[in-house]
Amino acid sequence: AQSVSQHNHHVILSEAASLELGCNYSYGGTVNLFWYVQYPGQHLQLLLKYFSGDPLVKGIKGFEAEFIKSKFSFNLRKPSVQWSDTAEYFCAVNAKGGSYIPTFGRGTSLIVHP
Amino acid sequence: GAGVSQSPSNKVTEKGKDVELRCDPISGHTALYWYRQSLGQGLEFLIYFQGNSAPDKSGLPSDRFSAERTGGSVSTLTIQRTQQEDSAVYLCASSRPSGLDTQYFGPGTRLTVL
Repeated sequence: AQSVSQHNHHVILSEAASLELGCNYSYGGTVNLFWYVQYPGQHLQLLLKYFSGDPLVKGIKGFEAEFIKSKFSFNLRKPSVQWSDTAEYFCAVNAKGGSYIPTFGRGTSLIVHP
Repeated sequence: GAGVSQSPSNKVTEKGKDVELRCDPISGHTALYWYRQSLGQGLEFLIYFQGNSAPDKSGLPSDRFSAERTGGSVSTLTIQRTQQEDSAVYLCASSRPSGLDTQYFGPGTRLTVL
């Protein structure tokens, strides 16, 4: 069975700081990888995804993530955060050839101080 | 087009009562998922529907929980004899037929069991 680990549960940053949120998964086969974001009072929505091709993917609002297959990782990065990035971030993995049920990490709460 | 909608947005009930939560997926999305989101616990998978196939109920926490999907569209999650530990936000998501694609989430139903 696949599992997803998000190492940082709570992150507090000041505006303009750089951000990296860790995500590691356990599954030996081919995967689709996602980062979802939930802004306060809003729906969960897709931030970015990796299906195949260039392992460095870019999403909305200046976010990017890099898939490193050898490390089973899909870390989320942003060079300079803004107060509006305050949100809950979830990493998710869906295994190709698996059950079609994505596995989500426990989420990381990011607070950005102005 | 319209996104995933859920009703009610909030539900307060007394312990022991039954509740029904409704989800309207995006038109054309044959995959539908129910999750439970508790504070600090991330997303807990409950049940998955894909087209006319038998649903994957492997995430339902007890036999008090059930769900159905009529006509391959609207889904209802029913919780019988509610308990205080059932208090959570119940999220519905839908995706395109591949089942491995991006999930689109509804706003959730916040259930409070007194």
